[in-house]
Amino acid sequence: KQEVTQIPAALSVPEGENLVLNCSFTDSAIYNLQWFRQDPGKGLTSLLLIQSSQREQTSGRLNASLDKSSGRSTLYIAASQPGDSATYLCAVINDYKLSFGAGTTVTVRA
Amino acid sequence: EAQVTQNPRYLITVTGKKLTVTCSQNMNHEYMSWYRQDPGLGLRQIYYSMNVEVTDKGDVPEGYKVSRKEKRNFPLILESPSPNQTSLYFCASSLDDSSYSPLHFGNGTRLTVT
Repeated sequence: KQEVTQIPAALSVPEGENLVLNCSFTDSAIYNLQWFRQDPGKGLTSLLLIQSSQREQTSGRLNASLDKSSGRSTLYIAASQPGDSATYLCAVINDYKLSFGAGTTVTVRA
Repeated sequence: EAQVTQNPRYLITVTGKKLTVTCSQNMNHEYMSWYRQDPGLGLRQIYYSMNVEVTDKGDVPEGYKVSRKEKRNFPLILESPSPNQTSLYFCASSLDDSSYSPLHFGNGTRLTVT
């Protein structure tokens, strides 16, 4: 059974600092890995999707890397802003089944 | 606007009273799925559907039913709700089997069973 772990569970940084969020998974036979953002009381918004054959994806200030062999992904958010405050979740897909990490709650202080 | 719509947003019910949470998408997506989110347990997949009339169990299917009679709709049915099904539920869809396309989530349904 796929197990997905996110460390740290919570993170508080001053505005402008770069954020590094970690995700690890136990079964490397994944189709893809996705990073989501969840705001309180809201649904999940897809940020980045990395296919199993890719090593990284970038969108604006966000960059996500994937190392399938070691079962790790890292989400980098450059020059953080207060609007980046949210919970970030990673999810992996094996055979149509999606497994989520518990998330990292980020607070960016103005 | 492309979206996944869940209804209702909030629902309070009593043990044993059958209920249905609806989910509809307007993006012609083939893959749809249901999740529940609980504090400390994160998001867990309940059921998923690869296409019309094709559904399969996720990690926590007990106490739930689904149907996929049309591509756009994927209702979640609780035949006899119990208090341990109190949770925040999300429906999601993606273009195909989700291997190469991102998931789009609805805004969630907060269910309380007393």
